[in-house]
Amino acid sequence: NAGVTQTPKFRVLKTGQSMTLLCAQDMNHEYMYWYRQDPGMGLRLIHYSVGEGTTAKGEVPDGYNVSRLKKQNFLLGLESAAPSQTSVYFCASRAGIGISGANVLTFGAGSRLTVL
Amino acid sequence: TQLLEQSPQFLSIQEGENLTVYCNSSSVFSSLQWYRQEPGEGPVLLVTVVTGGEVKKLKRLTFQFGDARKDSSLHITAAQPGDTGLYLCAGEEGGTGNEKLTFGTGTRLTIIP
Repeated sequence: NAGVTQTPKFRVLKTGQSMTLLCAQDMNHEYMYWYRQDPGMGLRLIHYSVGEGTTAKGEVPDGYNVSRLKKQNFLLGLESAAPSQTSVYFCASRAGIGISGANVLTFGAGSRLTVL
Repeated sequence: TQLLEQSPQFLSIQEGENLTVYCNSSSVFSSLQWYRQEPGEGPVLLVTVVTGGEVKKLKRLTFQFGDARKDSSLHITAAQPGDTGLYLCAGEEGGTGNEKLTFGTGTRLTIIP
């Protein structure tokens, strides 16, 4: 099983450009998450989804949009990239809550984004 | 948003030494997880603790959840170079907020051979 796959792994953008990061999971997980990781700040939640067709804001949602049209995919979009969005982005999924062993997050390998 | 502070932020020690890293919050969590992240990869779960006062061991790693479920510690005995990495704690809120995990600030551990 591939688990959680993120594409692309690396991307360089100019300020104002747009792009979409794709996250795909093959574990039939209900919950999916997008985090950003910056030095000294751990992982901060951007947006998340508790099921197909649903999305919710996390801790740092401004400047990002998401969509969950299919259960296995969770897309993160930047409409007008800014240098402050330079970061490493991680997608994660989990089976659900209240289910034994289901609260474990499975992460992708990350997508490194640089905005010039 | 519940905050999780980890200390120390950086730790560099010699192989064979013991160490403890801490994860502290002013809020109560229904469970707490520890992850380890290596360069170029996503975090990988080490352990989940659920009960206040719970202690779990994973080979040379000992995890403890505080009695009040506000803090946790990770103790490594006889550290090895393979223990090098970023250690992250993550707390799960109870009730209606339990679909999200709040991550700590991380401890970057380097074991010197």
